[in-house]
Amino acid sequence: EDQVTQSPEALRLQEGESSSLNCSYTVSGLRGLFWYRQDPGKGPEFLFTLYSAGEEKEKERLKATLTKKESFLHITAPKPEDSATYLCAVQTNTGGFKTIFGAGTRLFVKA
Amino acid sequence: EAGVAQSPRYKIIEKRQSVAFWCNPISGHATLYWYQQILGQGPKLLIQFQNNGVVDDSQLPKDRFSAERLKGVDSTLKIQPAKLEDSAVYLCASSLGSYASEQYFGPGTRLTVT
Repeated sequence: EDQVTQSPEALRLQEGESSSLNCSYTVSGLRGLFWYRQDPGKGPEFLFTLYSAGEEKEKERLKATLTKKESFLHITAPKPEDSATYLCAVQTNTGGFKTIFGAGTRLFVKA
Repeated sequence: EAGVAQSPRYKIIEKRQSVAFWCNPISGHATLYWYQQILGQGPKLLIQFQNNGVVDDSQLPKDRFSAERLKGVDSTLKIQPAKLEDSAVYLCASSLGSYASEQYFGPGTRLTVT
């Protein structure tokens, strides 16, 4: 069964304290892995797409990496405005490119 | 560029009543998705349209949920009759294509069933 698991469920950091969020996946065929940010009361906002193992993408303080079994979202020197829920999603090649989301990691950054 | 529009933003109904949600995707986006997001969980795909055809509806509870996308643009999602466990945020998203395309989400409709 296709599955996406994110850890930790919640993460509390001090401003400037770098860390990583994990997304492990088990799918029959990976078309792409996506990272989204979701603020309370809003829809998810697209961050990155990764297509193959070894690929990396960066945007400001965020860097996403991909292996054959998992992806990491590295946050360098976070600021309070980085506080949000970070969602990982995979698109499989079964049933018309189905999208499966993980439960997310809630990040809290304290000033 | 205008984003994905959804209405209403909030809806409160009693169990066994019916409700409908509306979505207008980003202009030119061929693929439209409806998701259900229960508090504390990630979005769960209910149905995916490519233009006005259904690509995947394997997780749509078809005995009570229905969706249509007329003329390949706007879409409506209906629940009839609603159950308590349908309380959730219903998100609409759109993308240019269906192959590994990033999705753009609307603000969602928060449904409370009492």
